[in-house]
Amino acid sequence: AQTVTQSQPEMSVQEAETVTLSCTYDTSESDYYLFWYKQPPSRQMILVIRQEAYKQQNASENRFSVNFQKAAKSFSLKISDSQLGDAAMYFCAYRSEPGYALNFGKGTSLLVTP
Amino acid sequence: GAVVSQHPSWVICKSGTSVKIECRSLDFQATTMFWYRQFPKQSLMLMATSNEGSKATYEQGVEKDKFLINHASLTLSTLTVTSAHPEDSSFYICSARTGLTSSYEQYFGPGTRLTVT
Repeated sequence: AQTVTQSQPEMSVQEAETVTLSCTYDTSESDYYLFWYKQPPSRQMILVIRQEAYKQQNASENRFSVNFQKAAKSFSLKISDSQLGDAAMYFCAYRSEPGYALNFGKGTSLLVTP
Repeated sequence: GAVVSQHPSWVICKSGTSVKIECRSLDFQATTMFWYRQFPKQSLMLMATSNEGSKATYEQGVEKDKFLINHASLTLSTLTVTSAHPEDSSFYICSARTGLTSSYEQYFGPGTRLTVT
């Protein structure tokens, strides 16, 4: 079974600064998908960014970008120009085939200070 | 587009009773729906995968007779917690995906908080 590890239970960043959340995973498959989800206090899961393993280019969405290192099985999320609204739980997730469920890491709680 | 709703958003029930949670895809047809459970300050754990018109596939350790899942239509899946006990109190989240091969993300419902007294 694939495992997803987020080694940072909590992280803190000042407003307007940059923070990087770490994620590693274990898999024997060559093709898969990786995701970062945000879960604010409302508990609604919000997709932040996704990465297809076959794509070498790192995904980015506005202030959010990833550093995908396939050989190292690492998938970190960088949040630039942090905003108070970025405060939330962030979950890294792995999925193999399109029909399969997501396998989540334990999450990182991000605190944004003014 | 791609909105998933859950009803109710919060339910309180007495121990020994059953409660049904609905998950609906509002603007797309969901061939597959997933049910997750999340304890406070913990991650989402997959309970079961349900495909329209067939029996759900439960994860190891999830009691099939306790957590009844029905996916009777392409827009509705239900999770019934039977003979609920306080330890069943949790946050239940569903997600849905379309049958399109190009779709590779799941759309999550807002979750249902179950409290069993």
